[in-house]
Amino acid sequence: AQSVAQPEDQVNVAEGNPLTVKCTYSVSGNPYLFWYVQYPNRGLQFLLKYITGDNLVKGSYGFEAEFNKSQTSFHLKKPSALVSDSALYFCAVRGLGGYSTLTFGKGTMLLVSP
Amino acid sequence: EAGVTQFPSHSVIEKGQTVTLRCDPISGHDNLYWYRRVMGKEIKFLLHFVKESKQDESGMPNNRFLAERTGGTYSTLKVQPAELEDSGVYFCASSQDSAAVLYQETQYFGPGTRLLVL
Repeated sequence: AQSVAQPEDQVNVAEGNPLTVKCTYSVSGNPYLFWYVQYPNRGLQFLLKYITGDNLVKGSYGFEAEFNKSQTSFHLKKPSALVSDSALYFCAVRGLGGYSTLTFGKGTMLLVSP
Repeated sequence: EAGVTQFPSHSVIEKGQTVTLRCDPISGHDNLYWYRRVMGKEIKFLLHFVKESKQDESGMPNNRFLAERTGGTYSTLKVQPAELEDSGVYFCASSQDSAAVLYQETQYFGPGTRLLVL
């Protein structure tokens, strides 16, 4: 079975500071990893994904994520946070064992203060 | 290009009533998925259509839930009769049909339907 853990329910960061939202996963075989963001009263928006290749993946809105196979992690990062980045972030994994399924973490609320 | 749309955005019903949720995928997307998030928990997979066929319905909680995708375009998810534990946000997602790389495909999500069963 595949699973995703987002150990932090909430992350607080000041505007302009770097941010990290953590994600670890468990899956059989090669993982396909995704980050989605949900702004208030909006649906899930795709941010970025890791399929293969370079461990550092760049996505929308200046976000990037680093795939670490040995630590089974896929942390989301941004060098300089904006107040508008405040939202709910979901990490998801898809592996060969789950043909259709995206398995999501519980989500991490990111709050960026001015 | 229009994204995935869902209707209604909110629904409040009483226990025992019936509710039907609708999802219109991105035009040309053969794959359509339903997910559900219950009160602060993980987003859980419900089922997957490829065109009009159910590819995987392993996540459907019980037989009170019925999903259809007639003609391979929009999909409906009916809950009959609704129970209190059915409350949550129901998301629909779609992706293009490229079976060889299905695992790598990005699923694009709609805004969700917020269902409250009283």
